[in-house]
Amino acid sequence: LAKTTQPISMDSYEGQEVNITCSHNNIATNDYITWYQQFPSQGPRFIIQGYKTKVTNEVASLFIPADRKSSTLSLPRVSLSDTAVYYCLVEDQAGTALIFGKGTTLSVSS
Amino acid sequence: EAGVTQFPSHSVIEKGQTVTLRCDPISGHDNLYWYRRVMGKEIKFLLHFVKESKQDESGMPNNRFLAERTGGTYSTLKVQPAELEDSGVYFCASSQGISQGVQYFGPGTRLTVL
Repeated sequence: LAKTTQPISMDSYEGQEVNITCSHNNIATNDYITWYQQFPSQGPRFIIQGYKTKVTNEVASLFIPADRKSSTLSLPRVSLSDTAVYYCLVEDQAGTALIFGKGTTLSVSS
Repeated sequence: EAGVTQFPSHSVIEKGQTVTLRCDPISGHDNLYWYRRVMGKEIKFLLHFVKESKQDESGMPNNRFLAERTGGTYSTLKVQPAELEDSGVYFCASSQGISQGVQYFGPGTRLTVL
């Protein structure tokens, strides 16, 4: 079973900031929070990973509160090409299997 | 740097036939994983290689599935004989030996069993 809970879908307009929140109430001390993006007919693609506080890269930001029971992926100024399924996963560093949930389908329109 | 590649991109076979899927991981990645998505379901883990050894094959559905990774480079996943319920998209992923769990996925092989 997936260890995370996230919205099934979200809609947005181009240029808006999109925040997708993920719940992981049973996250373990060794777990990292990782987000993947998947376009149709492609494999999942790593976006960002964090353990606590805030992580930012050229694609997104990840906000993790102190209790680590949830996290928020923030996509600034989305475009049509950001339409995809976004998966939130929690995993340890041991290189184990990823457990995917249903993900959040983000639809960006003009 | 080349990414994970998979062959073929799409395969259509009849029930009872054999199909072999191939995955070429990113060069230097010791970890290789197979996943699949059956229609309408989540992506599910099948197995994990560390170099040529099977580290975890708890997700393999039954003994009709055979995965190999001879020499610790590319991997094959054979389905013999194929059944209708094997239809889906098979993804391969790879990661470095001491990565922070980041796995790099290939584009997948869509398998259709008629």
